[in-house]
Amino acid sequence: EPEVTQTPSHQVTQMGQEVILRCVPISNHLYFYWYRQILGQKVEFLVSFYNNEISEKSEIFDDQFSVERPDGSNFTLKIRSTKLEDSAMYFCASRRSTGTVVNGYTFGSGTRLTVV
Amino acid sequence: SQQGEEDPQALSIQEGENATMNCSYKTSINNLQWYRQNSGRGLVHLILIRSNEREKHSGRLRVTLDTSKKSSSLLITASRAADTASYFCATDVGIQGAQKLVFGQGTRLTINP
Repeated sequence: EPEVTQTPSHQVTQMGQEVILRCVPISNHLYFYWYRQILGQKVEFLVSFYNNEISEKSEIFDDQFSVERPDGSNFTLKIRSTKLEDSAMYFCASRRSTGTVVNGYTFGSGTRLTVV
Repeated sequence: SQQGEEDPQALSIQEGENATMNCSYKTSINNLQWYRQNSGRGLVHLILIRSNEREKHSGRLRVTLDTSKKSSSLLITASRAADTASYFCATDVGIQGAQKLVFGQGTRLTINP
């Protein structure tokens, strides 16, 4: 069964450093997402991406965050200057919905980001 | 209250019993989905129910949706120790092309052998 692949699975970074989290969505999916989950809390929407542009972003997704689809397969989340409170599990998801066909979202296994 | 509130927050039952989790939401939805998350792991899609459906089955899972009450329930029958996990309802909201999932707080389910 096709999977959404995220790398790395765990990243430790110094506060103030830039990090790039990588995702390879399912190849025929059209919609891409980043979510985060702070330990013990609920999964929060960060940003959605469709047709090579951001569809929607949450209040969490401030100027420190950016997303990119640099080629036909990768989808990246960049945090420019990490803060301690950015420590969380980050999930990438993709979805294929065309017309009236509605599909569930497929999530990657996540990247656990620890900012020290 | 927030979109996608679930109760109970935690549920502990004996293996073989049925587990029922409830979810309430506030806004109109395209569909409602349930996900499972093992501790520290990724999210696994379990089942999707459209806004015009009332009940759906998948194996030992049964989901109901009451749009008039803005609520859903997930029933797991004949529970197994391997069902121990957190279960999240998530509402698919927004117009086509700008849809997203909004997650609830989750129910932590423990199945005791």
